[in-house]
Amino acid sequence: NAGVMQNPRHLVRRRGQEARLRCSPMKGHSHVYWYRQLPEEGLKFMVYLQKENIIDESGMPKERFSAEFPKEGPSILRIQQVVRGDSAAYFCASSPKTGTDNNEQFFGPGTRLTVL
Amino acid sequence: AQSVTQLDSQVPVFEEAPVELRCNYSSSVSVYLFWYVQYPNQGLQLLLKYLSGSTLVESINGFEAEFNKSQTSFHLRKPSVHISDTAEYFCAVSKRAAGNKLTFGGGTRVLVKP
Repeated sequence: NAGVMQNPRHLVRRRGQEARLRCSPMKGHSHVYWYRQLPEEGLKFMVYLQKENIIDESGMPKERFSAEFPKEGPSILRIQQVVRGDSAAYFCASSPKTGTDNNEQFFGPGTRLTVL
Repeated sequence: AQSVTQLDSQVPVFEEAPVELRCNYSSSVSVYLFWYVQYPNQGLQLLLKYLSGSTLVESINGFEAEFNKSQTSFHLRKPSVHISDTAEYFCAVSKRAAGNKLTFGGGTRVLVKP
């Protein structure tokens, strides 16, 4: 059973470009979470999605950031018009569907975004 | 809302010495508690978790953590560290239900010296 997969592992963008980060959850998992780790800081929650629904986006910046988890395919975190402050490691985590109440989340290896 | 404080940002320790990483949390509701480990340039791996029952939980590689409700703490300990334990350790909490975000502390970087 493959773990959580993220791609690309490293992404370089120039200011003003768009960044698309992909996350494939573990098989059988229907909950996806995105976290951001700024340099020298801990992880901060961004958004929680289930298939085709955003459940909690309280940690998402109000502008330029969006996330989706379509019925088919990976979850996508999109950052439009990137700025240098967006440089960070973005981690995706997944957990099983409702019915297991321990909320254990399994993390992917992360995408390290560098904005030039 | 929950918050997590890891009091030590860095902990240097000699090989085979004991180590304790402190974690305190605040929450208005009951929580689950987790410790994650992050090796350089990698993602997070779950080290151990407290859900209910015995307040002392152990991992397969010698770490243990004790949940103290009165002190709202979940400190991590290992009696004898190895070079391979060099990593960053994150304490996290979530509400006691599925589908809730994790709130992380700032992390503690452990550097094991020979």
